[in-house]
Amino acid sequence: KAGVTQTPRYLIKTRGQQVTLSCSPISGHRSVSWYQQTPGQGLQFLFEYFSETQRNKGNFPGRFSGRQFSNSRSEMNVSTLELGDSALYLCASSLASPSYNEQFFGPGTRLTVL
Amino acid sequence: GDSVTQMEGPVTLSEEAFLTINCTYTATGYPSLFWYVQYPGEGLQLLLKATKADDKGSNKGFEATYRKETTSFHLEKGSVQVSDSAVYFCALIEAGNMLTFGGGTRLMVKP
Repeated sequence: KAGVTQTPRYLIKTRGQQVTLSCSPISGHRSVSWYQQTPGQGLQFLFEYFSETQRNKGNFPGRFSGRQFSNSRSEMNVSTLELGDSALYLCASSLASPSYNEQFFGPGTRLTVL
Repeated sequence: GDSVTQMEGPVTLSEEAFLTINCTYTATGYPSLFWYVQYPGEGLQLLLKATKADDKGSNKGFEATYRKETTSFHLEKGSVQVSDSAVYFCALIEAGNMLTFGGGTRLMVKP
């Protein structure tokens, strides 16, 4: 079974631009979560999507948004990029039954904002 | 809110040494606990998990026991290898599907 895939793997943008990252979950997984990893703040939860609906949201500004499509693929968008948005963005998928299910992580997209 | 605290690294060991990485947590209820490992340039891989008190998670020679009385989930391995060099993250889920992570501990194993 193919794992979680994220595209692109690397991205360089300048301040003020916007960016869209993509995540394809493992086949059959309906939940997709996004995390930001930085040296200063560590790993922080951004949001989770399930059945095309945002189910949980972390403490990030409204510049960070996401969506999920009917095939469970998800995108996250960051508008008006700031230098502090430079990070590794990780996507994770799970079956998401009523009880907890193991989350499988993709390799991440490394975003650099200049 | 929930939080996870783990020992700061780097932890530097010689091959075949005993490893302990301490992890303690704060949660209002009864979380599930996890250890994830991140190799250079890669995403996170689940190493082991425990879903209730006194459960022991184990995988690839690594073990951790869910200790409710001390709110701890320390990671141990009896004999580390160079290939174990990575960053290790302790994490919990209390509700929903949101993982709360510790700050990570870098392990360096020398031959």
